[in-house]
Amino acid sequence: EAQVTQNPRYLITVTGKKLTVTCSQNMNHEYMSWYRQDPGLGLRQIYYSMNVEVTDKGDVPEGYKVSRKEKRNFPLILESPSPNQTSLYFCASSLWAASGAPSQYFGPGTRLTVL
Amino acid sequence: AQTVTQSQPEMSVQEAETVTLSCTYDTSESDYYLFWYKQPPSRQMILVIRQEAYKQQNATENRFSVNFQKAAKSFSLKISDSQLGDAAMYFCAYRSYKPGGTSYGKLTFGQGTILTVHP
Repeated sequence: EAQVTQNPRYLITVTGKKLTVTCSQNMNHEYMSWYRQDPGLGLRQIYYSMNVEVTDKGDVPEGYKVSRKEKRNFPLILESPSPNQTSLYFCASSLWAASGAPSQYFGPGTRLTVL
Repeated sequence: AQTVTQSQPEMSVQEAETVTLSCTYDTSESDYYLFWYKQPPSRQMILVIRQEAYKQQNATENRFSVNFQKAAKSFSLKISDSQLGDAAMYFCAYRSYKPGGTSYGKLTFGQGTILTVHP
């Protein structure tokens, strides 16, 4: 089954304690990205990756890091989480195409609370 | 930069009735894609319908249809014969057409509209 998985699904942590949210897709997609969802703001892109070892900032990258060492995995790293990073996080993936808009597949979301 | 605005934080509809959710966007691009996503309480993001800007014909998917007004930069979603399972948060989203650019693949979302369906 084609899917994007995220772990953990729920996480409560404290300020400053490093954490990683994993994202994995089994569709051989080149493009992957992270979004955060906040009330009244919709979803905003944090980081994206066009392919292995190619990553770049989205609209709200402050306080986050990513890596893309393997095609299927795109972890989101919060090295020193703060309460303003409390949010719902989504990973998404799609094929890279020279034209058109390949469908994006979303993971199930990770609810993060930083105390 | 593109922006997407959903001016209706909440909407409600009676079961079997029709409801229209509004979305406006701002862009200087001529080619792009527009989407409506549904987010039920499970939080899963589900693609409802998509529209290519170069197509004049409005997209339809079963009970879901859009009214795409390119000149007005308006993209509303009509849900006909509303069902209890339609209750969810609905997001309008924009995607640039430019292949390979820095905005490639990025979806710009509106704030969302919570739809309640009354039995």
